[in-house]
Formats: sequence, C-alpha cells, structure tokens
Amino acid sequence: QVQLQESGPGLVKPSETLSLTCAVSGYSISSGYYWGWIRQPPGKGLEWIGSIYHSGSTYYNPSLKSRVTISVDTSKNQFSLKLSSVTAADTAVYYCARLAAGGGYYFDYWGQGTLVTVSS
Amino acid sequence: QSVLTQPPSVSGAPGQRVTISCTGSSSNIGAGYDVHWYQQLPGTAPKLLIYGNSNRPSGVPDRFSGSKSGTSASLAITGLQAEDEADYYCQSYDSSLSAFFGTGTKVTVL
Repeated sequence: QVQLQESGPGLVKPSETLSLTCAVSGYSISSGYYWGWIRQPPGKGLEWIGSIYHSGSTYYNPSLKSRVTISVDTSKNQFSLKLSSVTAADTAVYYCARLAAGGGYYFDYWGQGTLVTVSS
Repeated sequence: QSVLTQPPSVSGAPGQRVTISCTGSSSNIGAGYDVHWYQQLPGTAPKLLIYGNSNRPSGVPDRFSGSKSGTSASLAITGLQAEDEADYYCQSYDSSLSAFFGTGTKVTVL
C-alpha cells in the first residue's frame, strides 16, 4: 500500500520560503511515476502546484512557476516543495500525491495534507 | 491556465440520482484529454473516484459513474446515500502537461 506523508513548518512568515517534504512508503520513487503537490486554501478548491518525475523532470503551474521549486531525493524516497516570497494568499492545506498514467494523468494516492499558515 | 467549471452545489434525497457537470473547452477536454473525478469528505484529503473518464478504482461502488462528451464530462451518483455528502472535483490536463481541477461541487443529501 502506497502511503505519503507531508511534513514541515505549520507557520511561515510573509516574504519567507515555505518548505515541505513528502515521505513515500510502500513504493520506491526511483521505480517510476510522477509525484506532485496540490494545495487548497481554507474553504476553497484544489490548485495543482507542480509535479516531478523520479529523474528530476519538473512541470509547474504557470501562475506559480516563478516561485516554486520541486525536487526529489530517491535515496530518502521523498520529494520536496519550496515556495518563495509567500504571502497570506499562500495559506492553505498542502497535499502531496502520486501521479498515475493510463487513461490520462491522475492522482491516485494522496497524503493527509498539512496546513501551512502565512502570518507574522 | 485552463479552467473546468462545475456547479457550486447539487442536492438530492436518499436513493435519488444526481449528476455533476464539468465543462471545459476545446483546449482541454475537447482536445481529447481525459477527465478524472475526486471525492473529498469533510476534513479529509481528496480520494480518486473515477479515472480515464469512466473507470472506477478498486473499492469504489458502482453507484458512481463517469462519462465524457465533447468539451464536457459528468459524474453520476445513483442510489444517493448520506455518506456521499462531500465535495467533488473533476480534473484534467492540457498540452503543457499542466494539471488543473474543476471549481468543485458540494453534494448535499436532503
């Protein structure tokens, strides 16, 4: 059973960098698949942030691309998100997920999510 | 970025059938990209409900079905149950391999 678990600070100051890690168990990242980050502001809908392949190839949401970096560490079986110059608008629950293919690209396994609040 | 439009809310009595629409455009759904659906129960992470327009992952009841036509897709729930009360999101891709979600629909069981 594939499991994902997000971790990182729950509170980030405005203008600083948000950093989260997603630990994967039950599957080796180096075996394949894309891995992604999605966020959900309180009371609002889902927004895709970006995705990374085990080789390091990345795809980012154009609206966030200038501030986002996603990286992968196959030795630790985890991948990470960095979002720079955060504002209150970046307050959200951040989810990591596995991206499957076969009938399009879809997120088949999700982490439980972690709330990140941007506030001084 | 591409946008998928869903009705904000739908409702139905237990046992009834409800449908949720997901309207895209010729650059996403209409261009042949598949549509997927997720169910998000209150306070939990989204769960994959339908993939590849009409396929159900193992464990998803056959009360849930999906379809796609032209620039739109639909999710149908037959035999509505109280446990189906949740938010539902469609999701697709575009030519730049950017994923995007629908605006979301809240299903209320009366």
